[in-house]
Amino acid sequence: ETGVTQSPTHLIKTRGQQVTLRCSSQSGHNTVSWYQQALGQGPQFIFQYYREEENGRGNFPPRFSGLQFPNYSSELNVNALELDDSALYLCASSFPGQGGNTIYFGEGSWLTVV
Amino acid sequence: KNEVEQSPQNLTAQEGEFITINCSYSVGISALHWLQQHPGGGIVSLFMLSSGKKKHGRLIATINIQEKHSSLHITASHPRDSAVYICAALISGNTPLVFGKGTRLSVIA
Repeated sequence: ETGVTQSPTHLIKTRGQQVTLRCSSQSGHNTVSWYQQALGQGPQFIFQYYREEENGRGNFPPRFSGLQFPNYSSELNVNALELDDSALYLCASSFPGQGGNTIYFGEGSWLTVV
Repeated sequence: KNEVEQSPQNLTAQEGEFITINCSYSVGISALHWLQQHPGGGIVSLFMLSSGKKKHGRLIATINIQEKHSSLHITASHPRDSAVYICAALISGNTPLVFGKGTRLSVIA
């Protein structure tokens, strides 16, 4: 039990649609990161939020956007879905600004785009 | 070339065998994480290391900062250890993790 909850666990969307994935972190974990993991690959960094502001972004197009809320929950939004967006999306939270703290992952949301 | 490389990519072992998974990285780091991912997708943090060695049950993780190398060892392996093991480097305090591609371990009874 990591204390990080993601929803939905599985979903299927059609190309061109929009999706919102949600993550609820432990209280006090005001750094949250989102990752995309394609089948057989390691997770790839999408972006990171700290105290409700984006403070790091990976090599993903602007149609990937996010929000973080004061209650330690966050969202990943993907617009104009493409087939290649099919992947496991993971969120992870930790205490901020302390190099080497334990990181807590959610179970992930499996997205299939058809 | 990925900044974090793992070997082997796939590993099959008999129950009871001693297992070693290796991770090397090409950049300076502040810490390295070993993670376990089961088929359902969820990731569990096993260790976070910045120097030396850590042990938890049958799992041992070591890191050599000068050589930019870390190893995860599993003693007396068991089928329930079957999972993907991922190393991930933390370059500095608030930067995102850089992940290896993972090592898929299957332990056969």
